[in-house]
Amino acid sequence: GQNIDQPTEMTATEGAIVQINCTYQTSGFNGLFWYQQHAGEAPTFLSYNVLDGLEEKGRFSSFLSRSKGYSYLLLKELQMKDSASYLCAVRDSDYQLIWGAGTKLIIKP
Amino acid sequence: NAGVTQTPKFRVLKTGQSMTLLCAQDMNHEYMYWYRQDPGMGLRLIHYSVGEGTTAKGEVPDGYNVSRLKKQNFLLGLESAAPSQTSVYFCASSSGQGHQETQYFGPGTRLLVL
Repeated sequence: GQNIDQPTEMTATEGAIVQINCTYQTSGFNGLFWYQQHAGEAPTFLSYNVLDGLEEKGRFSSFLSRSKGYSYLLLKELQMKDSASYLCAVRDSDYQLIWGAGTKLIIKP
Repeated sequence: NAGVTQTPKFRVLKTGQSMTLLCAQDMNHEYMYWYRQDPGMGLRLIHYSVGEGTTAKGEVPDGYNVSRLKKQNFLLGLESAAPSQTSVYFCASSSGQGHQETQYFGPGTRLLVL
C-alpha cells in the first residue's frame, strides 16, 4: 500500500526554527510537494522537490532524500502567521498525488 | 482572476437527499480534481478529469458522480447522501501533471449529512 507519515502536531516558539518531517512509501516517485493549510482554508503550494537535496525559498526550505523515502520542511524565523497545517504529498507512478494527514504547527509567542 | 471557486460553501443534507457541488476555474486549466478531507486523514481523491468531456475515478469514488461538460466547470454529485459523506470537499485544478505542475485549490465546501 501507499503511505505517507508526518507528525500529527508540533509546537514551536515565535522567532525559532522548526523542522517538519515526512516519510513515504509509494508506488513510484515523481516528485514531492509541501502545502500550507490555514484552519478553514484551502491548501496552498509551498515547495516542490524531485531531486535529492535542499530547495530554499525565503524562510522556507525543503529537503529530499529519495533513497530514504524522506523529506523535511524547515521553517526559519517563525511568525505567528505560520500557525497552520503543513501537508506532504507525493506524486506516484500514475502521477496521482498521495497526501499525508498533515502536521498542525502551533506557534507560541 | 478568481482562481478556483466552489459553491455552495456550506450545506446540510438529510440522509438520502441528493445535491451537486459546483467547481469553476478561470485559469484555463486542463486538469480538475475533487477531494474530500476528513480529520486525521490526508486528502483523498474522489474523481478527476484530464480535459473537457473526460472523467476518471480516484481513490474513493463510490457514492459520487462527476461531469465536465465545460472546460472551466467540474461538478460533483451525491446521488443519495449518507452520514459517511460528511466531510469538507475541495476542488483543485492544474495545467497538467508534469513534474512541476502544482494544484490550485478552491475554498472548500463543508457538507454535513444528518
